[in-house]
Amino acid sequence: GQQLNQSPQSMFIQEGEDVSMNCTSSSIFNTWLWYKQDPGEGPVLLIALYKAGELTSNGRLTAQFGITRKDSFLNISASIPSDVGIYFCAGQNSGGSNYKLTFGKGTLLTVNP
Amino acid sequence: DTGVSQNPRHKITKRGQNVTFRCDPISEHNRLYWYRQTLGQGPEFLTYFQNEAQLEKSRLLSDRFSAERPKGSFSTLEIQRTEQGDSAMYLCASSPLSDTQYFGPGTRLTVL
Repeated sequence: GQQLNQSPQSMFIQEGEDVSMNCTSSSIFNTWLWYKQDPGEGPVLLIALYKAGELTSNGRLTAQFGITRKDSFLNISASIPSDVGIYFCAGQNSGGSNYKLTFGKGTLLTVNP
Repeated sequence: DTGVSQNPRHKITKRGQNVTFRCDPISEHNRLYWYRQTLGQGPEFLTYFQNEAQLEKSRLLSDRFSAERPKGSFSTLEIQRTEQGDSAMYLCASSPLSDTQYFGPGTRLTVL
């Protein structure tokens, strides 16, 4: 089945630094999404991307949908301690009868104050 | 709070027992999904409902698993004869006819 390769697996940074993480797929997706998950909670949607080449921002977060439709990246600028958590990319193929999400394994972000 | 809710949040059971989880989606969301997440992994798709119809089941969903959404609103996920390998976080998500899925807080299952 489809698999998403998400990197890096973990990052340890200083408060104020910028962060970049990415996701690649063996297959194309119509939609890319980025979620953040805190321990013991469900994933929370950060950004959704619907068109190849699309660049979308949400506050200090910026994400891009790769033009090949097989990759996406997420940047976080000027990190703060509350950015700590696990970030997941997810691909989705809308259309047909199923809109299931395929997730990467996550990037664990630690921010040192 | 109008988000997706799941109950219970935590469940500890002994191997061989049956467990049932409930998901209440966001009001008027047609689609409801169940995912399973194990430690160090992303969520994996289990099954999907559009209104009351269960339209797809993953191969991860063995015969011991059954899900229902009888009135097209809340859903239940039952696991019969639980095994230690069933220990995981079970996540529910809902969406309107557009694509974006919103997740609940999950039910953490521990099978002893």
